[in-house]
Amino acid sequence: AQSVTQPDIHITVSEGASLELRCNYSYGATPYLFWYVQSPGQGLQLLLKYFSGDTLVQGIKGFEAEFKRSQSSFNLRKPSVHWSDAAEYFCAVGARAGGTSYGKLTFGQGTILTVHP
Amino acid sequence: DAGITQSPRHKVTETGTPVTLRCHQTENHRYMYWYRQDPGHGLRLIHYSYGVKDTDKGEVSDGYSVSRSKTEDFLLTLESATSSQTSVYFCATRSGEAAYEQYFGPGTRLTVT
Repeated sequence: AQSVTQPDIHITVSEGASLELRCNYSYGATPYLFWYVQSPGQGLQLLLKYFSGDTLVQGIKGFEAEFKRSQSSFNLRKPSVHWSDAAEYFCAVGARAGGTSYGKLTFGQGTILTVHP
Repeated sequence: DAGITQSPRHKVTETGTPVTLRCHQTENHRYMYWYRQDPGHGLRLIHYSYGVKDTDKGEVSDGYSVSRSKTEDFLLTLESATSSQTSVYFCATRSGEAAYEQYFGPGTRLTVT
């Protein structure tokens, strides 16, 4: 069964500082990987996704993530954080075709990002 | 994103009463999902649908049922609501086999007293 771990429940950074949110996954093959962002009272918005190919993927709002197969990780990064980035971030893994897991996503517990001015 | 609406957006109900939440999408996406979100648990899949009248259970399906009579609508029913079902419920859609990303609705906050 697939699983996702986000080791950091809460991260605080200063505006303008760099950011890295950690995500580790467990899956028997090459997974589909996603990062979503959720602002308070809102639904989840897709930031970026990895399916195959280049292991560094670019997303919206200046975010990027790097897939590292050897470390089973898919960490989210941003070089300079803005106050509007304060939100909760979820990493998710999706199973490739086959079996009953087809298309279903498994989410991590989320990381809350606080941005200090 | 995928033109997903959920109704109601907020609901307070009493233990033992039936509750139905509605998800409506305008993108003709084949797959639809119901998740619940609870602090410390992220999002957990309740049920999903892979076509009209085709549904299957997720990891936390006990106490919930679903129906999908039209492509655009996916209903989640709590037959007899319990306090443990107090949560925020999200609907999501996925266009088809070639796409794996899911798009989420705004959520329904349900409180069972």
